[in-house]
Amino acid sequence: EAGVAQSPRYKIIEKRQSVAFWCNPISGHATLYWYQQILGQGPKLLIQFQNNGVVDDSQLPKDRFSAERLKGVDSTLKIQPAKLEDSAVYLCASSYTRWDTQYFGPGTRLTVL
Amino acid sequence: RKEVEQDPGPFNVPEGATVAFNCTYSNSASQSFFWYRQDCRKEPKLLMSVYSSGNEDGRFTAQLNRASQYISLLIRDSKLSDSATYLCVVNHGEGGGADGLTFGKGTHLIIQP
Repeated sequence: EAGVAQSPRYKIIEKRQSVAFWCNPISGHATLYWYQQILGQGPKLLIQFQNNGVVDDSQLPKDRFSAERLKGVDSTLKIQPAKLEDSAVYLCASSYTRWDTQYFGPGTRLTVL
Repeated sequence: RKEVEQDPGPFNVPEGATVAFNCTYSNSASQSFFWYRQDCRKEPKLLMSVYSSGNEDGRFTAQLNRASQYISLLIRDSKLSDSATYLCVVNHGEGGGADGLTFGKGTHLIIQP
């Protein structure tokens, strides 16, 4: 079974630039999550989708971050404009239902200079 | 936001020894509990779920104490390959389908030959 796919794996940008990350969940998984993991910390949930609807985005900095899952499959996370403190690994996870194990993708490592 | 607290370590343990980690959580209404393992520069992977009655998987034993709001992980006969960061994870199950996991910062374990 193919795992959660993410791209790009690495991204270096300058502050105030924009960046987008892509996630393809495991086939058939209805629930998709984006997490931010800053070095030395555990992952922090940014947003949770159930199919194409947002369930929880309470920790998403909405002034600069946006995410969508238009067709209920792939998802994109965008940052515009980026700040230095956005340097982190952005992890996508998916689960078959909200009650099932979450499987994580390899992450996108973002460096903001 | 709900908190999950762990001792970051590092724990330096000789191969073959037994090591235990604890984790505390702040939300008494939390519903699901897990230990995830994260290797350096890799994504988190589920190690085991934690059940109220306690559960064991080979050399690993997890226990939950709801009254004191802590979770433990015991590793017996530790192997070099057990070296990793162990993340304590809680699903608060806040309803409305919001099931994002809350991660602790992780405990870094180093098994020494």
